[in-house]
Amino acid sequence: DIQMTQSPSTLSASVGDRVTITCRASHIISSWLAWYQQKPGKAPKFLIYKASSLESGVPSRFSGSGSGTEFTLTISSLQPDDFATYYCQQYHSYPLTFGGGTKVEIK
Amino acid sequence: QLQLQESGPGLVKPSETLSLTCTVSGGSISSSSYYWGWIRQPPGKGLEWIGSIYYSGSTFYNPSLQSRVTISVDTSKNQFSLKLTSVTATDTAVYFCARVISRVAAVYYFDYWGQGTLVTVSS
Repeated sequence: DIQMTQSPSTLSASVGDRVTITCRASHIISSWLAWYQQKPGKAPKFLIYKASSLESGVPSRFSGSGSGTEFTLTISSLQPDDFATYYCQQYHSYPLTFGGGTKVEIK
Repeated sequence: QLQLQESGPGLVKPSETLSLTCTVSGGSISSSSYYWGWIRQPPGKGLEWIGSIYYSGSTFYNPSLQSRVTISVDTSKNQFSLKLTSVTATDTAVYFCARVISRVAAVYYFDYWGQGTLVTVSS
């Protein structure tokens, strides 16, 4: 299985901050990576596919980058609605696997 | 707008079978562009892919669960279902159904999700 490791596990930030979350794969996955946002008690919301392609309707302050084994999700200016947990997911090979999550909390 | 809704018992006894159904509305489960999948999340933990199914019945399963999992589809009802046998407390989780973006018979990522349903395994 491909292991996905996210860092940090928790991130404290303020509204307006630039936030970067890292996701590392245990094997090369090219750009076959998706990102999700999850709020407490809710289903994950799909944000980004193919490492850097923004899903329709997702605010442009979200961006993704990377390829191979190292990827980042960046929020350019953190908004109150962005406080949530973020997950990466690889779809290079089976089984599909997720990172452990990064919780973005209010500083 | 596509919607998915999980249904099934919220409490299952150890060693019994967990059964859930996902009803899809606002779109056809028989679309050639998508698979349909199940993902679970133990309380306070991360996400685990269980498996995915195409409307034709073709499936992919997570090897860690494959011996206990069956996913099936009923196109006449626009539903797909999950059965997980011989459950233990470690199967306690929120179970989500989702639409899966796929290409050339490979499953990729999940773009629409149900709200999730908590299944507790306890006697």
